[in-house]
Amino acid sequence: LAKTTQPISMDSYEGQEVNITCSHNNIATNDYITWYQQFPSQGPRFIIQGYKTKVTNEVASLFIPADRKSSTLSLPRVSLSDTAVYYCLVEGRRALTFGSGTRLQVQP
Amino acid sequence: DTGVSQDPRHKITKRGQNVTFRCDPISEHNRLYWYRQTLGQGPEFLTYFQNEAQLEKSRLLSDRFSAERPKGSFSTLEIQRTEQGDSAMYLCASSQGLAGDETQYFGPGTRLLVL
Repeated sequence: LAKTTQPISMDSYEGQEVNITCSHNNIATNDYITWYQQFPSQGPRFIIQGYKTKVTNEVASLFIPADRKSSTLSLPRVSLSDTAVYYCLVEGRRALTFGSGTRLQVQP
Repeated sequence: DTGVSQDPRHKITKRGQNVTFRCDPISEHNRLYWYRQTLGQGPEFLTYFQNEAQLEKSRLLSDRFSAERPKGSFSTLEIQRTEQGDSAMYLCASSQGLAGDETQYFGPGTRLLVL
C-alpha cells in the first residue's frame, strides 16, 4: 500500500516558482503519480500525471527521479488563484491513496 | 465543471436515518470511485467500480456503507443508520480506466451533516 508524504503547508508570492515534493517510498511498478488541486468546498481537480522522468503541461511540470520514490510538482509562476490544497496521488489497481495535502498560500 | 455530477449537493439528516447519494460519471468512463473527505483531511478512498463490477470494497468504512452501479452508468452510495461521525463530504470520481490514462475526474461532492 503506497503511502505519500507531503509538506503540510507552503507560502509563496505571486510570480514565483513553487515546487512541492511528495514522497512515496512504496510505490508499485504499475502505479502512476497524479497531482490534484482542491479549493474549499469543491472536488479535487486534476493537474498533471506521470510515470517517470518529466511531464509538462500548460499549468505545471512533474519531475520523477529514476527510483520513483518521490515526485516534485512545479508551478512556474503562481498567482493568488493558485492558493489551494495540492494532493499527490499514487494510483494502483486496488489502493488509491491521497497524500495529506500541501496547503499553498500565495501572497500578493 | 468536470462532467461528473452528484446529487444532492447537501444533505442534512438525523442520526439513525438512511441516506443515499447519486453519482453520474462522464458517460464514456468505465471506472467510478467513491471517496469520503473530512475537514482538513485528504480524500479517503472507499470503493470503486469497473463498469458494473465492484472491484474493491474492503475500504468501505463499515457494513452500514454500500454502493451499487447496476447498469455500469450511475452509482449510488447508501449509508444506513447514520451516525454523527458520518458527517463529511462524499466525493465521486470517474476515469476511463485505460492503461496510461488513469486520470480521475471528480464531482462537486455531497456534503452530509448528521445531527
